[in-house]
Amino acid sequence: NAGVMQNPRHLVRRRGQEARLRCSPMKGHSHVYWYRQLPEEGLKFMVYLQKENIIDESGMPKERFSAEFPKEGPSILRIQQVVRGDSAAYFCASSPETEETQYFGPGTRLLVL
Amino acid sequence: QKEVEQNSGPLSVPEGAIASLNCTYSDRVSQSFFWYRQYSGKSPELIMSIYSNGDKEDGRFTAQLNKASQYVSLLIRDSQPSDSATYLCAVVMDSNYQLIWGAGTKLIIKP
Repeated sequence: NAGVMQNPRHLVRRRGQEARLRCSPMKGHSHVYWYRQLPEEGLKFMVYLQKENIIDESGMPKERFSAEFPKEGPSILRIQQVVRGDSAAYFCASSPETEETQYFGPGTRLLVL
Repeated sequence: QKEVEQNSGPLSVPEGAIASLNCTYSDRVSQSFFWYRQYSGKSPELIMSIYSNGDKEDGRFTAQLNKASQYVSLLIRDSQPSDSATYLCAVVMDSNYQLIWGAGTKLIIKP
């Protein structure tokens, strides 16, 4: 059973470009969570999604950031018009419907030049 | 406000000793508690979960839960340099299965 997959593992963007981060949850998992982690800092919750629904986006910046988890395909975290402050590691985690344990993907390291 | 508190450290422990990591939480009705380990540059990985008061042992790791005092701890026996990492405490505080995360404790095991 493959674990949580994220791609790309590393992404370099120039200021003003768009970044798209993808997350494929573990097989059978219907819940996806996105976190951001700045260097030497803790995990910051961004958004919690179930298939085709955003359950909690209280940690997501109001502008430039969006997330989706379509019926088919991976979950996407989209950052428009990136700025240097968006440089961070972005982790995705998934869980099955009736379990709280979250299993993490390897993360995407975003660098904005 | 729902909170999970951890001492950020670093906590320095000599090799072979017991490392004790502590976590307190604000919501008295919390039922599920997790410890994750995160190596530098890597993603968090689950070490243990605990749901009932008392101790739960898994190899060199023991999780301890005291709901009355609202704390959960992780003991690492016979600490090894490879245990050096940041340890994250996470608590489920409501019914939608979301984890509330502590900021993590950095543990350093000195040879």
